[in-house]
Amino acid sequence: KQEVTQIPAALSVPEGENLVLNCSFTDSAIYNLQWFRQDPGKGLTSLLLIQSSQREQTSGRLNASLDKSSGRSTLYIAASQPGDSATYLCAAPREGGQNFVFGPGTRLSVLP
Amino acid sequence: SAVISQKPSRDICQRGTSLTIQCQVDSQVTMMFWYRQQPGQSLTLIATANQGSEATYESGFVIDKFPISRPNLTFSTLTVSNMSPEDSSIYLCSVASGSTEAFFGQGTRLTVV
Repeated sequence: KQEVTQIPAALSVPEGENLVLNCSFTDSAIYNLQWFRQDPGKGLTSLLLIQSSQREQTSGRLNASLDKSSGRSTLYIAASQPGDSATYLCAAPREGGQNFVFGPGTRLSVLP
Repeated sequence: SAVISQKPSRDICQRGTSLTIQCQVDSQVTMMFWYRQQPGQSLTLIATANQGSEATYESGFVIDKFPISRPNLTFSTLTVSNMSPEDSSIYLCSVASGSTEAFFGQGTRLTVV
């Protein structure tokens, strides 16, 4: 059974810092992993999708890596901005399905 | 990619009543998913909405409480029946594209009073 965890649960940093969010999953037989952003009370915005054949994926200031063998993924945010403040969710596919198991999220606050 | 429209965006309902949430996708998809996010929690899958057959419910969720319709490949509804304050959550519709990337609607924020 797929289980996903994320650390830290919350993070507060000053503007401009580079930061790393961590995600772990138990079933490494995944075909992809996805990172989302969620603003308070809102839906999810897809940030990055990493296929199992890839080791990392980049979009602007965001870089996500995937290490299937260790069951880990990291989301790197460069030069953080107050607008990055949100909850970041990691999701790994459930065994045999097209839906996902979500981690509990990391709540990020970037202070001006 | 897929664009998902979900309605209503929010609602405040009396206990004992029912609310139907609509999800419209801009392209045909085989499976649509309904998730619940309780306050301060992550997402939990309620059910998979299959076109042409009954929805598949996850453990802890039943059809009588969360009936789902899927009349075609672009539309689905989730009804939250006989609501209680414990049903106060964000309900989210999701689809997976051909590359298995997941897309979400903006969610329905439900408050039961």
